[in-house]
Amino acid sequence: NAGVTQTPKFQVLKTGQSMTLQCAQDMNHEYMSWYRQDPGMGLRLIHYSVGAGITDQGEVPNGYNVSRSTTEDFPLRLLSAAPSQTSVYFCASSYDRGQGIGSSYEQYFGPGTRLTVT
Amino acid sequence: GESVGLHLPTLSVQEGDNSIINCAYSNSASDYFIWYKQESGKGPQFIIDIRSNMDKRQGQRVTVLLNKTVKHLSLQIAATQPGDSAVYFCAENSLSNTGKLIFGQGTTLQVKP
Repeated sequence: NAGVTQTPKFQVLKTGQSMTLQCAQDMNHEYMSWYRQDPGMGLRLIHYSVGAGITDQGEVPNGYNVSRSTTEDFPLRLLSAAPSQTSVYFCASSYDRGQGIGSSYEQYFGPGTRLTVT
Repeated sequence: GESVGLHLPTLSVQEGDNSIINCAYSNSASDYFIWYKQESGKGPQFIIDIRSNMDKRQGQRVTVLLNKTVKHLSLQIAATQPGDSAVYFCAENSLSNTGKLIFGQGTTLQVKP
């Protein structure tokens, strides 16, 4: 298994440009999420999906769109890039191993995409 | 708004000593907590988790303690090694909505040889 893959690894955009960050997982996980991480900060949830065709907003959804047409893919679209969107973007996937004591819900993270908007 | 936060931004320990990283959370509805380790230039890596029906869980060299009364979470690392140097994040979640994970700010752990 390749796990969670993200492309591109680095991207520079001009203000107003649009682009799509790609995320794919080959573990048949039902849950997928997008986070952004600013310098010296924790990760903030942008959007997440609990299954194909189902998405919901996280903490900081403005300026981003997502869709989940397949279990494997969860692209993140920047409609009109702004300097405030300069960040490192992480995609993650997970599945629920159960509710009993000892089971866990672990998110697997991709390597990240470093985005700079000038 | 609701948030998960950490008490100390940087923790420096001697190799071989035990490390304790603390976390405070504010959402009383959270019932699942996770600790992640992030090395420079990489994505977060799962360390250990705990559900709200437990107050302690042990892994290999790591222990997580949960005090629901004061909404406090801690990560204990035994016999800290140079490879433990990283940023550690706590995160909270509700098991009724497992897609929505909220992270704290992070603590940098520095291990001195």
